[in-house]
Parts: sequence; structure tokens; C-alpha cells
Amino acid sequence: SQTIHQWPATLVQPVGSPLSLECTVEGTSNPNLYWYRQAAGRGLQLLFYSVGIGQISSEVPQNLSASRPQDRQFILSSKKLLLSDSGFYLCAWTGGRYGYTFGSGTRLTVV
Amino acid sequence: QKEVEQNSGPLSVPEGAIASLNCTYSDRVSQSFFWYRQYSGKSPELIMSIYSNGDKEDGRFTAQLNKASQYVSLLIRDSQPSDSATYLCAVAHNYGQNFVFGPGTRLSVLP
Repeated sequence: SQTIHQWPATLVQPVGSPLSLECTVEGTSNPNLYWYRQAAGRGLQLLFYSVGIGQISSEVPQNLSASRPQDRQFILSSKKLLLSDSGFYLCAWTGGRYGYTFGSGTRLTVV
Repeated sequence: QKEVEQNSGPLSVPEGAIASLNCTYSDRVSQSFFWYRQYSGKSPELIMSIYSNGDKEDGRFTAQLNKASQYVSLLIRDSQPSDSATYLCAVAHNYGQNFVFGPGTRLSVLP
């Protein structure tokens, strides 16, 4: 069966510090991978999606970037965090018609 | 701009009642429709998918789709306090395509 791993679960980072969040999927190949952010009490905002290694599409221009160095690995990064980057970050994958499966999420607080 | 709309709630129902959650979408050619449940502080989990007009039942949950009216709903029968969560509606143009999520409806089931 397919599983998705996301870490860390929580993170407190100072303004201006770098960020790296990692997501890996097991049990499938060539998944579509997604990074979402959810601000407190708000809906899901699509940040990046990838349909293959090295293929990244950005939905929202900001100081975040994403990379997909391996088929089942998706990384979200920032060189300098802003206060507005705080939120709940979710990785998700889909292999077809069965909808997205989300990772457990990372709660990021920028202080 | 593809949009998915939901009443933000909170929707409060007594235990044992039927909870009715509604969602409308703007993209007339949407083909795939999903309902996710998100407990506070947790990631969304898929509870129902529906692709054809009509009703689809799974246990206490029934999804209803009306493509002509661009409307999808979720009924929860015999509501339990454990059903208290935010319910997200998601719509996709085609299988495996990027989803558009609604803002979610917060459901509170009162004991």
C-alpha cells in the first residue's frame, strides 16, 4: 500500500532563517506531488505541484521554492523565512482518480 | 478562475441528526468531486468521492452530485460528536488533475 511521510511535525524558526521540509511517498511510482499551505482558520492554498523529477510548477509567487530530486521525494525550501510564512504545510500525492492523500503536515511558526 | 464555494459555518446539529453540507463549483466541465474531513490540527482525510450524477452511499455518508446545477453535497446520517470537524469539498477538471478546494465548512455535533 502507498504511504506518505512528511517531517518534521512542528517547527519554530526565526525570521530570516532557512527552511527545508521533506516529503516522501512509498509504494507507488511517478506520483503527482503537491505542497499546500493552510493559514490558521483558512482554506488550502496550493503552493507547488510536480508531475515528475525536476518538474515544478509554482502557483503562488513568494519566497518559497520546491524541488523534486527523486521520483518520490518532494522538498519545500526557503532561504529567508518571513512572519507570513507561518502556517500548516501539507504534502500530498495522487496517482489518478482516487483523490489526494495528504501527509501528516508540518506546523511552522516563524517568530 | 475556478472556484469552489462552501458555507464556512459553523453548522451545528444535535447528535443523531442528519448533517447536510453543501458545495458549489464554477468550472462547468469538472469531472471529479471529493469530500475531505479535517480534524483540528490534523491533515485532511478523504471520506467520499463521486463522479456521476446522483447519490453515492458509504456507511453513514451520502454524497450527492448534480452537474447541471454545479452542486455537490454530503449528508451525514446519525451524526456523532466524533463527526465534528471541518469538511472540505474538492473539485477536479479531470482524473489526476489539480484539485480546487473549497474553504471548508465547520461542523459541530452537539451531544
